[in-house]
Amino acid sequence: GQNIDQPTEMTATEGAIVQINCTYQTSGFNGLFWYQQHAGEAPTFLSYNVLDGLEEKGRFSSFLSRSKGYSYLLLKELQMKDSASYLCAPQDSNYQLIWGAGTKLIIKP
Amino acid sequence: GAVVSQHPSWVICKSGTSVKIECRSLDFQATTMFWYRQFPKQSLMLMATSNEGSKATYEQGVEKDKFLINHASLTLSTLTVTSAHPEDSSFYICSASPGGGSQPQHFGDGTRLSIL
Repeated sequence: GQNIDQPTEMTATEGAIVQINCTYQTSGFNGLFWYQQHAGEAPTFLSYNVLDGLEEKGRFSSFLSRSKGYSYLLLKELQMKDSASYLCAPQDSNYQLIWGAGTKLIIKP
Repeated sequence: GAVVSQHPSWVICKSGTSVKIECRSLDFQATTMFWYRQFPKQSLMLMATSNEGSKATYEQGVEKDKFLINHASLTLSTLTVTSAHPEDSSFYICSASPGGGSQPQHFGDGTRLSIL
């Protein structure tokens, strides 16, 4: 079957760095997306990885290891507005995104 | 760029009413649009995949006669919840993709549907 494993909830301090890990199993693989979803809102696109390695975009970076079925999202210089759920969504052989419940990130002052 | 507009944002109506939700890609052509439903604190659940000019592909367990999808143009898809009942109350979200495996899905703001 297809599944995604992310921590349910994480807590971090404003100004710090946090890494959200994701392991996945899919039928085929065509890249992995990270989305941010604030409570009561729709998801917004953060990053896309299809090759192994690190993609950096401002305060956010995403890493992928296809052989390990592993990705992480790294958030630097955390701000209160970063409090949200972060969704790891791999794309299977049919280019369909597989969604888990995501990781709820709580930022404390 | 890549803006998706979804209307209405909120709907409150009586049981038995049919509700239509629109999803538009404003600055790109979307060959594929997706309709999701999300209950509180749960993951996104894909309901159907909509391709312009053809019938939608529904996920297992989603009633196609209950949730009517029309994708008449490259910028517009609609979801009609027919004869809605309280159990249909949920957060409905559409997304659109310009196509190609590396293109992300861009989401509308969602529609919160409450059936009394």
